[in-house]
Amino acid sequence: DTGVSQDPRHKITKRGQNVTFRCDPISEHNRLYWYRQTLGQGPEFLTYFQNEAQLEKSRLLSNRFSAERPKGSFSTLEIQRTEQGDSAMYLCASSLDISGNTIYFGEGSWLTVV
Amino acid sequence: DQQVKQNSPSLSVQEGRISILNCDYTNSMFDYFLWYKKYPAEGPTFLISISSIKDKNEDGRFTVFLNKSAKHLSLHIVPSQPGDSAVYFCAASAKGSQGNLIFGKGTKLSVKP
Repeated sequence: DTGVSQDPRHKITKRGQNVTFRCDPISEHNRLYWYRQTLGQGPEFLTYFQNEAQLEKSRLLSNRFSAERPKGSFSTLEIQRTEQGDSAMYLCASSLDISGNTIYFGEGSWLTVV
Repeated sequence: DQQVKQNSPSLSVQEGRISILNCDYTNSMFDYFLWYKKYPAEGPTFLISISSIKDKNEDGRFTVFLNKSAKHLSLHIVPSQPGDSAVYFCAASAKGSQGNLIFGKGTKLSVKP
């Protein structure tokens, strides 16, 4: 399977715990994105990498959130001191050609904070 | 303030008929528009896109129409099939936005056999 891969697919955590999600983009894609989707809403942009450089961050990305892409390949999204409002699907996407801004999503990581 | 609006939360269509999903936008800087399809518990799947220099793009059963003066686009699915039942998201991006897509809230399409 050469699509965007995310792990874990589901995570249940207690409030206050830290969680980390991993994303492996399509292999030749140099751009990687994180989005968040809550029930009844469309995906919302969180952050974007070109290779290993984090070029844009949404105001939705509070200081409890950190994303890295250390070698320009896979990426991690960490949420510290989780809150119930963090419960959502976290979507990773990647693209190669900025022309047209077509991005390809993974299957998402569901987070439930109890 | 929502920049991309899908005003119909749901749409029900008979198999074999046309499905028309609508999307309105407010930001005149948007120059690229996309439609994604999403099944429950899965990520969105890219369907079709259109640049603002065009007014129509077709791919098999899927056609997207863009009316820039009305800031409106629509996705036509002909003929509709039960497997098309999913939530459809309209998304838009502005030139230089670096992949920051603005999504609507989605329209749930049900295609009945």
